Amino acid sequence: AQSVAQPEDQVNVAEGNPLTVKCTYSVSGNPYLFWYVQYPNRGLQFLLKYITGDNLVKGSYGFEAEFNKSQTSFHLKKPSALVSDSALYFCAVRANQAGTALIFGKGTTLSVSS
Amino acid sequence: NAGVMQNPRHLVRRRGQEARLRCSPMKGHSHVYWYRQLPEEGLKFMVYLQKENIIDESGMPKERFSAEFPKEGPSILRIQQVVRGDSAAYFCASLGQLNTEAFFGQGTRLTVV
Repeated sequence: AQSVAQPEDQVNVAEGNPLTVKCTYSVSGNPYLFWYVQYPNRGLQFLLKYITGDNLVKGSYGFEAEFNKSQTSFHLKKPSALVSDSALYFCAVRANQAGTALIFGKGTTLSVSS
Repeated sequence: NAGVMQNPRHLVRRRGQEARLRCSPMKGHSHVYWYRQLPEEGLKFMVYLQKENIIDESGMPKERFSAEFPKEGPSILRIQQVVRGDSAAYFCASLGQLNTEAFFGQGTRLTVV
């Protein structure tokens, strides 16, 4: 069975500082990994994905994530946080095969203070 | 190219009534996921559908809940005899044959009174 763990319910960071939102996963076979962001009363917006290739993937709004196979992690990072980055962030995984469900973590609330 | 469309955006039902939530996927997408979101509980997978086929319904409650994705028309999530605990935001996402990432609708917020 697939699963995703986001160990932090909330991450607080000052504007201009680097941020990291943690994610670990469990899946049979090779994973497809994703990060999504949700603003209040809205749907989820796709940020970035890892499918294959370079372990460091770059996405929207200056975000990036690093795939670490040995640690089964896919942490989201940004070198310099903005107040407007404050939102709910979800990590998701599905196995690299047809017909598998996309499973999400519980989400991490990022709060960036000015 | 319109995004994933969900309607209604808000739905109020009395206990015991039926709720029907609709999801029109992006053009050309033939796969749909449904999720339920409750405060403090994240996004819970419910069902994964392909046109005219249920691929994975392991997250669906065994009673009162059903989903379909017909050959023509939107995907429907149906909740019979709603109870207060069904109050939540329900999201659908669509996936194309050549896509790896899913695209989400704005959700339907169901309130059971």
